[in-house]
Amino acid sequence: QSALTQPASVSGSPGQSITIACTGTSSDIGRYNLVSWYQQHPAKAPKLMLYDVSSRPSGVSIRFSGSKSGNTASLTISALQIEDEADYYCSSYSTVNTIFFGGGTKLSVL
Amino acid sequence: QVQLKQSGPEVKKPGASVRVSCKASGYTFGTNDISWVRQAPGQGPEWMGRISPNSGATTLRHKLQGRVIMTTTTSTTTAYMELRSLTVDDTAIYYCARESTLNCFDAWGQGTLVTVSA
Repeated sequence: QSALTQPASVSGSPGQSITIACTGTSSDIGRYNLVSWYQQHPAKAPKLMLYDVSSRPSGVSIRFSGSKSGNTASLTISALQIEDEADYYCSSYSTVNTIFFGGGTKLSVL
Repeated sequence: QVQLKQSGPEVKKPGASVRVSCKASGYTFGTNDISWVRQAPGQGPEWMGRISPNSGATTLRHKLQGRVIMTTTTSTTTAYMELRSLTVDDTAIYYCARESTLNCFDAWGQGTLVTVSA
């Protein structure tokens, strides 16, 4: 099995909303509600933004939300801010007791 | 607060082994599994496997079985990841992460750069 599929890049202006899709298969995203999203700034470790598809850890802004339909999960960031510019990665648990990550999406806030 | 502090950068030759440590603090070490995730330059993360600190039970990514060993020392709240038979393709930043629930990595180490070069 290969990594989850994400768009290489997305962009938006401050105040706008963007959505990043993450496509998997019926063995991972389609089977389990165990999708997480991570934010990574350059030279930093990833930071958990969402887990279990749409749950937010304490301290993460309500501007970050998640959903899932079939084999595709989505991360939506509303009211974009300059500091949201970063790489975003999705991950999912799979039937082979493995966790897969996406290839990452670079968000540019123009 | 929860902290994971990793050992420093390593430079290894192909065929060698590397061992990375991850010292946990700020929570009860045995409560959560520790996973190891690596990230090659310009690539997405790759989950390598996890270890349950108290039992030592591991779940390893299939492609790494036979090359990776994960251990813990509960008395020092430290997790270790050893990777053997290194190739240039193993060049990456290696992270340890606390898995609060399945596929939920809520705390990460700062990362350890492992460079494999002849």
